[in-house]
Amino acid sequence: AQKITQTQPGMFVQEKEAVTLDCTYDTSDPSYGLFWYKQPSSGEMIFLIYQGSYDQQNATEGRYSLNFQKARKSANLVISASQLGDSAMYFCAMREANAGNMLTFGGGTRLMVKP
Amino acid sequence: DAEITQSPRHKITETGRQVTLACHQTWNHNNMFWYRQDLGHGLRLIHYSYGVQDTNKGEVSDGYSVSRSNTEDLPLTLESAASSQTSVYFCASSPDPANYGYTFGSGTRLTVV
Repeated sequence: AQKITQTQPGMFVQEKEAVTLDCTYDTSDPSYGLFWYKQPSSGEMIFLIYQGSYDQQNATEGRYSLNFQKARKSANLVISASQLGDSAMYFCAMREANAGNMLTFGGGTRLMVKP
Repeated sequence: DAEITQSPRHKITETGRQVTLACHQTWNHNNMFWYRQDLGHGLRLIHYSYGVQDTNKGEVSDGYSVSRSNTEDLPLTLESAASSQTSVYFCASSPDPANYGYTFGSGTRLTVV
């Protein structure tokens, strides 16, 4: 079974609108963390946001927020006020304490922001 | 500023040749990782190291090896390159994966012909 599932291979969003990128995960480990990375066309991997399994509040970093629904095992990334520079691949990843805290990645979502 | 660098950025090699991809970090992180990125698969873990002289196999380690003789470097070797190893390779490091994310290098695009 896939540990991290990103069901949206590609998405379009209008500039200045909000967009939600979906991520569901599968783990029985009580201690885990979820990450989102951005990969622009230049290829580098840029860390965006992190949510720990014990964190009580949803993580936020500027225009990025993580909609963490533990019971549903989802960790969706919300980008508010989309900008043209947000066009990129976005990867959700998980670390599990019982698996040595290695990062396991989803297949990614390509986001395209329309002017 | 501390950084993590990969070299070369691009390489073309022939089937059957041995190839080594370099990864060098100046963060003084004990933990280093190699991933490969292929369309539809995201990033998959090849090998990782928790410190000097420590190496471990990841999800897709067949045909690859690593060595860790110092804190700064984790070179990835393809013993006998195959066309299936055409991919983009990322190196990453972390001070403590339990509490910190990874810092990634810029990647190496390897083509095996």
